[in-house]
Amino acid sequence: KQEVTQIPAALSVPEGENLVLNCSFTDSAIYNLQWFRQDPGKGLTSLLLIQSSQREQTSGRLNASLDKSSGRSTLYIAASQPGDSATYLCAPYPIKAAGNKLTFGGGTRVLVKP
Amino acid sequence: SAVISQKPSRDICQRGTSLTIQCQVDSQVTMMFWYRQQPGQSLTLIATANQGSEATYESGFVIDKFPISRPNLTFSTLTVSNMSPEDSSIYLCSVRQGSHEQYFGPGTRLTVT
Repeated sequence: KQEVTQIPAALSVPEGENLVLNCSFTDSAIYNLQWFRQDPGKGLTSLLLIQSSQREQTSGRLNASLDKSSGRSTLYIAASQPGDSATYLCAPYPIKAAGNKLTFGGGTRVLVKP
Repeated sequence: SAVISQKPSRDICQRGTSLTIQCQVDSQVTMMFWYRQQPGQSLTLIATANQGSEATYESGFVIDKFPISRPNLTFSTLTVSNMSPEDSSIYLCSVRQGSHEQYFGPGTRLTVT
């Protein structure tokens, strides 16, 4: 059974600092891994999808890396802004999962202070 | 990408009543899912909504409590039946095409008093 852990659980930084969010997963047989953003009381917004064959994926100030063999992904957010304050979730999509299920980590709650 | 809408966006309901949540997608999708997010928790999959057949429920969730319909490839409903305060959560509709990116709706915030 896939287990996903996100560290740290919460992070508070001053504006302008770079953010590093970590995700580890136990089953490395995955098709891809997604990073999501969730604002309080809202749905999830997909930030980046990184395929199992990729090492990195970039979108603007966001960069996600994937080391499938060690079961790790890292989301980097450069030059953080107060608008980046949200909860960030990672979800690997395992090949063996019955019913095509994503498994979510507990999330990292980020606060960027002006 | 898929654009997903949900109705209602939020509701406050009395114990013992039922609420039906609607999910509409702007394109045909093969897979639709319903998730629950309890306060302060991560997402838990309730069921996969199958077009033309009964939904596939995850362990701990049953059809009598969470009946699901999926009449076509763009629409699904989730009913939360005989509600109790423990059902207070955000309910999220989600879609996926094959092994590709998964998208989520804006969520329905349910409070049961």
